[in-house]
Amino acid sequence: AQKVTQAQTEISVVEKEDVTLDCVYETRDTTYYLFWYKQPPSGELVFLIRRNSFDEQNEISGRYSWNFQKSTSSFNFTITASQVVDSAVYFCALHSSTSGTYKYIFGTGTRLKVLA
Amino acid sequence: SQTIHQWPATLVQPVGSPLSLECTVEGTSNPNLYWYRQAAGRGLQLLFYSVGIGQISSEVPQNLSASRPQDRQFILSSKKLLLSDSGFYLCAWSNGGRYNEQFFGPGTRLTVL
Repeated sequence: AQKVTQAQTEISVVEKEDVTLDCVYETRDTTYYLFWYKQPPSGELVFLIRRNSFDEQNEISGRYSWNFQKSTSSFNFTITASQVVDSAVYFCALHSSTSGTYKYIFGTGTRLKVLA
Repeated sequence: SQTIHQWPATLVQPVGSPLSLECTVEGTSNPNLYWYRQAAGRGLQLLFYSVGIGQISSEVPQNLSASRPQDRQFILSSKKLLLSDSGFYLCAWSNGGRYNEQFFGPGTRLTVL
């Protein structure tokens, strides 16, 4: 069975602090994709990043960085120098097409509150 | 570029009334389409997905149904709404190709009274 766990339900930080959102996944497939989405108060889920199982390179995009480690089945997301606009719910998701499914498995989300 | 539309944006309906939510995708062909529901403060629950016209897979047996009358149109329906149907309904698409990520519509906030 496939599963995504986001153990942190809610995190509060003060502006300019760094924050890491954890994501742990389970799958038996060898080819899979991991994603992070941001859901601001408006509700629409915004795609942030995709990682495939063959690419363990960490990625940095501005203040955002992602650490993918297959050895620990984790795909963590770090925001550096957080800003109030980063306040949102963040979802980690897993997708594997090799098992013949078109479904995406989402974690339960982490609510990030950045205080001014 | 691809865009996804959902309407209406908000809806207030009485218990027992019918429901029809529509989702359309532009700029791509033969997308995989998905309906999710999100209860207040909760995660995403997959309701239906479709890999082609007329092909619907149901994930949650309940009083909702979905249809895909055209390649880029996905409709969520109910004959009689329940209080528990209240929530935020999100439509999404993916192309199952190289990138695989899902892209979401703006959502419909449904309140059943």
